[in-house]
Amino acid sequence: DTEVTQTPKHLVMGMTNKKSLKCEQHMGHRAMYWYKQKAKKPPELMFVYSYEKLSINESVPSRFSPECPNSSLLNLHLHALQPEDSALYLCASSLLDSSTDTQYFGPGTRLTVL
Amino acid sequence: AQSVTQLGSHVSVSEGALVLLRCNYSSSVPPYLFWYVQYPNQGLQLLLKYTSAATLVKGINGFEAEFKKSETSFHLTKPSAHMSDAAEYFCAVTPSSNTGKLIFGQGTTLQVKP
Repeated sequence: DTEVTQTPKHLVMGMTNKKSLKCEQHMGHRAMYWYKQKAKKPPELMFVYSYEKLSINESVPSRFSPECPNSSLLNLHLHALQPEDSALYLCASSLLDSSTDTQYFGPGTRLTVL
Repeated sequence: AQSVTQLGSHVSVSEGALVLLRCNYSSSVPPYLFWYVQYPNQGLQLLLKYTSAATLVKGINGFEAEFKKSETSFHLTKPSAHMSDAAEYFCAVTPSSNTGKLIFGQGTTLQVKP
């Protein structure tokens, strides 16, 4: 089973709202990732958690705050977002066991900021 | 720095025709290469990956790719296109140091005409 789940599927929020995106995997993977994807563009890496610790932050604005409560869960807390933050947010996970480490993606959350 | 170039942002084929999606990489060391497919409003699904075990890699849905070191290429092919193959295709490379970063090409939109 290579399933990564994400909730909600769609989210509409105002610029003053606080919301959270959730990601879950039960494959025993040790790394989890957040990506942002604009239409007709490749995914852009935002954050990487390895063994529940933040290992990569690609200079993401502080209005995006990741959290990894345990090895199976990854959250992305959103606050004071801008309309340009509207995008598909993808979560991925990988085993992190070798150089050929493979990332498996969830279905994404379609975020619209009004 | 490693990079990936996908030649042709849009490829159109007739149903039943050969599919060829091009991917070239730049790397001074042996890379680890992936092809992902993204159907509309969905996440990325792994099609296949090159792990240096064999230069011809077979993936899901009848796709395969051949690693050619002399040409620094990893082109994706399918002998006979189906309407259901219409999607966005991304070639990606991960550094041999396995930093957790997946470097994507810009993507190729495959259109299949009846």
